[in-house]
Amino acid sequence: DAGVTQSPTHLIKTRGQQVTLRCSPKSGHDTVSWYQQALGQGPQFIFQYYEEEERQRGNFPDRFSGHQFPNYSSELNVNALLLGDSALYLCASSQTLNTEAFFGQGTRLTVV
Amino acid sequence: SQQGEEDPQALSIQEGENATMNCSYKTSINNLQWYRQNSGRGLVHLILIRSNEREKHSGRLRVTLDTSKKSSSLLITASRAADTASYFCATVDYNQGGKLIFGQGTELSVKP
Repeated sequence: DAGVTQSPTHLIKTRGQQVTLRCSPKSGHDTVSWYQQALGQGPQFIFQYYEEEERQRGNFPDRFSGHQFPNYSSELNVNALLLGDSALYLCASSQTLNTEAFFGQGTRLTVV
Repeated sequence: SQQGEEDPQALSIQEGENATMNCSYKTSINNLQWYRQNSGRGLVHLILIRSNEREKHSGRLRVTLDTSKKSSSLLITASRAADTASYFCATVDYNQGGKLIFGQGTELSVKP
C-alpha cells in the first residue's frame, strides 16, 4: 500500500501564476482533504472532497479550488498566486468523513 | 483559524527522559488526535482519543483527555533521539464535518 501520495514534492512559481497540486489517497479511502501549513504554524483546513463534491470549506478565498475524480484522487488549484501562498500543502485521506486521516508528504510551494 | 494552544512551544530533553506536551481547545469535540511531523514534511498519525475516553496508550505514548477542561496531554516515555519532531494536536467535531483543527504544535528536541 503506497499510502497517500502527492505530486510534485517541490514547486517554484511566480506571483500571478496558477498552480495545480495532485493527491492520490490511500487505498480504500474515499475522502480527501487539503491543508495549508505556513512555516512554524499548524496546518489549516482548506477544503474536503467526498463523492466528487466539495463538502466543507475553510476560510480560504475563491482562488483556491479543487476537484475529486471518480478514482478518488484529487487536485488543488490556486489561481493568481500571491507571495503569501508560499507554504507546505498537505493532502489527507480517510475512509468516509469522520475517521482517522492519513497524510501525504506534502508539496512545498514557493511563490517568488 | 487554530483551535487552541499547545504548551510548551518548544521542549528540549535528554534521551531517556519523559516528554509531556499539552493541548487546549475551545469548542466541543468528538475526538482529539495527535500527529508527529519531521522536518516540515508529512504528518504521521500517532493516536486518536474519543471524547468519552479519558486515557489511551500506544507503545511509549500515553494520551489523556479532560473534556471538562478542554485539554489533552501527550506523554512520550523513555524518549529517543528519533522522537525529535514537531507534535500537533488536532480536534474533530462531527457537526463540522470531520475536518481537523490543529494547534500550533510543540517542537521537541531529544538530545543523545
